[in-house]
Amino acid sequence: GQQVQQSPASLVLQEGENAELQCNFSSTATRLQWFYQHPGGRLVSLFYNPSGTKHTGRLTSTTVTNERRGSLHISSSQTTDSGTYFCAIDYNAGAKLTFGGGTRLTVRP
Amino acid sequence: EAGVTQSPRYAVLQEGQAVSFWCDPISGHDTLYWYQQPRDQGPQLLVYFRDEAVIDNSQLPSDRFSAVRPKGTNSTLKIQSAKQGDTATYLCASSLRGQLYFGEGSKLTVL
Repeated sequence: GQQVQQSPASLVLQEGENAELQCNFSSTATRLQWFYQHPGGRLVSLFYNPSGTKHTGRLTSTTVTNERRGSLHISSSQTTDSGTYFCAIDYNAGAKLTFGGGTRLTVRP
Repeated sequence: EAGVTQSPRYAVLQEGQAVSFWCDPISGHDTLYWYQQPRDQGPQLLVYFRDEAVIDNSQLPSDRFSAVRPKGTNSTLKIQSAKQGDTATYLCASSLRGQLYFGEGSKLTVL
């Protein structure tokens, strides 16, 4: 079936370090969406990025659709960035998102 | 603008009991989703609607799970005869033109 693989599964940083989260998917996608989830909290959309590069604050999302990959770069990490980051893929332009297993990020002071 | 609202936030059941979860999407959003998120895993789609029509329920365990959205607005997800394996957070999301917005979820524990 259609799969979404995220790496690394977990990551521990010191405050101020940068992070690169990867998302690989099994077939051509029509869009990629990144979400953040604080433990016990709701999923919050970070980027809706079908292709190319988008920036918001310290976050950068890059999607290379024909290579079936996306990435989320976090610069100058802060303790408040701790949580789980999910990428989700729509394969059929039909509004149905398939989620990866997430990357659990811990940023230590 | 109000977000996606879900209730109850928490439910604890014995095996074999039933539970219903309710979702109020963002006003004007035509598409509504129910996802199941087991602990420490990514969300898995159960069913989604466009207006009142079911678009995809292929991952819904139809023998015990049911979902309705009768007027194309609010939705109810019901689990009959719950099992321990149903322990998870049930997430509702809505969208208009693709970008999803999630509610806080309903956390179910089946003992």
